[in-house]
Amino acid sequence: DAKTTQPTSMDCAEGRAANLPCNHSTISGNEYVYWYRQIHSQGPQYIIHGLKNNETNEMASLIITEDRKSSTLILPHATLRDTAVYYCIVRGTTGANNLFFGTGTRLTVIP
Amino acid sequence: NAGVMQNPRHLVRRRGQEARLRCSPMKGHSHVYWYRQLPEEGLKFMVYLQKENIIDESGMPKERFSAEFPKEGPSILRIQQVVRGDSAAYFCASSQGTGHSGNTIYFGEGSWLTVV
Repeated sequence: DAKTTQPTSMDCAEGRAANLPCNHSTISGNEYVYWYRQIHSQGPQYIIHGLKNNETNEMASLIITEDRKSSTLILPHATLRDTAVYYCIVRGTTGANNLFFGTGTRLTVIP
Repeated sequence: NAGVMQNPRHLVRRRGQEARLRCSPMKGHSHVYWYRQLPEEGLKFMVYLQKENIIDESGMPKERFSAEFPKEGPSILRIQQVVRGDSAAYFCASSQGTGHSGNTIYFGEGSWLTVV
């Protein structure tokens, strides 16, 4: 049921910005884009979500293209603790209320 | 504000025994979700509950697994007659409710079940 496509893995140098892309070409008008991450042996951690406007919080920024068919999660200054699997999830606010996790992107931050 | 609390964090059961995993949602949350993650695999949805009601159990195995979220107390995921293939991490999550503003789902740290 995953409606998103993400690269399998990415590397990022410590201190640099990590840009994680996600394609969701079949997204519908009432569906949001959510990002979670899972650090090894921990529970998934909510990062950010958005509908059509760019969003920013203390963890990351979310850039959504104007046609909403893709988005990018930006970690502005990656640290070693940001090494994790990052999941991009498309989710509506009505009907099915759960999250469907795909395979995500394994981000490795390199010292 | 405490997050989603799961216990036990680690549980070892012999084949044929019962496993009970408990989940207390975040304060003010009335929606609970259970997910399972097998070793080296992704997270798979199991069941979605509201107080005293099962809303979606499409991901639950047909036998031996059950879940409840009573009016008072934590949500319980019960696995009867455990087998080695049940060894996994079980994650509970909660949300405030439906609709965009209260719909963000937050996860607990998981319960690791090992069947020997």
